[in-house]
Amino acid sequence: GNSVTQMEGPVTLSEEAFLTINCTYTATGYPSLFWYVQYPGEGLQLLLKATKADDKGSNKGFEATYRKETTSFHLEKGSVQVSDSAVYFCALSARAGTALIFGKGTTLSVSS
Amino acid sequence: NAGVTQTPKFRILKIGQSMTLQCTQDMNHNYMYWYRQDPGMGLKLIYYSVGAGITDKGEVPNGYNVSRSTTEDFPLRLELAAPSQTSVYFCASSDISGSSYNEQFFGPGTRLTVL
Repeated sequence: GNSVTQMEGPVTLSEEAFLTINCTYTATGYPSLFWYVQYPGEGLQLLLKATKADDKGSNKGFEATYRKETTSFHLEKGSVQVSDSAVYFCALSARAGTALIFGKGTTLSVSS
Repeated sequence: NAGVTQTPKFRILKIGQSMTLQCTQDMNHNYMYWYRQDPGMGLKLIYYSVGAGITDKGEVPNGYNVSRSTTEDFPLRLELAAPSQTSVYFCASSDISGSSYNEQFFGPGTRLTVL
């Protein structure tokens, strides 16, 4: 079946460090891929998405590229800020209208 | 647009009690979902609905019921609360237009504790 695997956390970084959170997926066909972010005490917000191979999603300095050959969708940011501290979830959608399949989440903690 | 709203934000139940978690969206989305989030486990789908009057089970439906009498509302019912239902519950909705491709919008969550 469909599944998402993302790197275990927590990830602890200093401000302005480079961030990578790995995400790989298993799915039949051509799923859409998403990164959601959850700030403390809040619900999930869409951070970025990609709907086909080689698409790059980007938002707020974060980027992720849909790599079908490696079934990956790694999240990157060149310079993290304290305000980026949150839990990040990688997710896939097999087709429109179906539920999202989530990874377990990666906690990012950024210190000044 | 308020988006997806959920009530209550927090609730403590005793074992065997019942309650309804409310969810409302004002985006005219046909699709709505209930997830539960357990620590370190990501989100798991409880029930979903593809439109008013149509609901179906997700991955973890036992102990829950839903109804969808209108496009806007999708309440989740717990009939006999058990400690295993202690979790954070999220409601979400989505459209299936070509531009959105199942981007889901989430409510702020309900934190439920069963003692």
